[in-house]
Amino acid sequence: DAKTTQPPSMDCAEGRAANLPCNHSTISGNEYVYWYRQIHSQGPQYIIHGLKNNETNEMASLIITEDRKSSTLILPHATLRDTAVYYCIVRVGTGANNLFFGTGTRLTVIP
Amino acid sequence: NAGVTQTPKFQVLKTGQSMTLQCAQDMNHEYMSWYRQDPGMGLRLIHYSVGAGITDQGEVPNGYNVSRSTTEDFPLRLLSAAPSQTSVYFCASSRAPEYEQYFGPGTRLTVT
Repeated sequence: DAKTTQPPSMDCAEGRAANLPCNHSTISGNEYVYWYRQIHSQGPQYIIHGLKNNETNEMASLIITEDRKSSTLILPHATLRDTAVYYCIVRVGTGANNLFFGTGTRLTVIP
Repeated sequence: NAGVTQTPKFQVLKTGQSMTLQCAQDMNHEYMSWYRQDPGMGLRLIHYSVGAGITDQGEVPNGYNVSRSTTEDFPLRLLSAAPSQTSVYFCASSRAPEYEQYFGPGTRLTVT
């Protein structure tokens, strides 16, 4: 699975959009981009995933560049409850290979 | 739907003791896995299972055993606890490896 690079920390004002970048320059054609988050010491929570098209769900939007070498997770209206560590993971879409978590980005939403 | 449940929430062991961390899911998921998370680090995969009777090793399997006799349960056994196994352990399940994984609340283990 390809390696990802994320900034270690970011701040965002409450109510503003939080844009979390991820670099995955060595991604392969059959690898998906997944985002999970971990609030305090709870178990990680799935957010969204995509292959090459932009994706949106009730939690967030995922923007993947055309060359697929980077992506951005967007939380449209950040709240204090969005303060968490966000993990960007790339993995092959099928088979029993697994999620490799790095150290992620610690997002702090500021009142 | 309870989702993924883990017991116990906290455990303290002495070096050399053995124990089993329990994990159960009620979503009829085929795929289950165990991760450990050390302070300031991401999660690392210990073992996983793609269905009842099938298990395989992950990134850090040494010192741990697993079995999968039913779809619902995936226990993790520590054979002889060591201080290096002090960590938070998370169990996860999903319909298949490529689908979203649901994580349990974790077991915080301290080995003295």
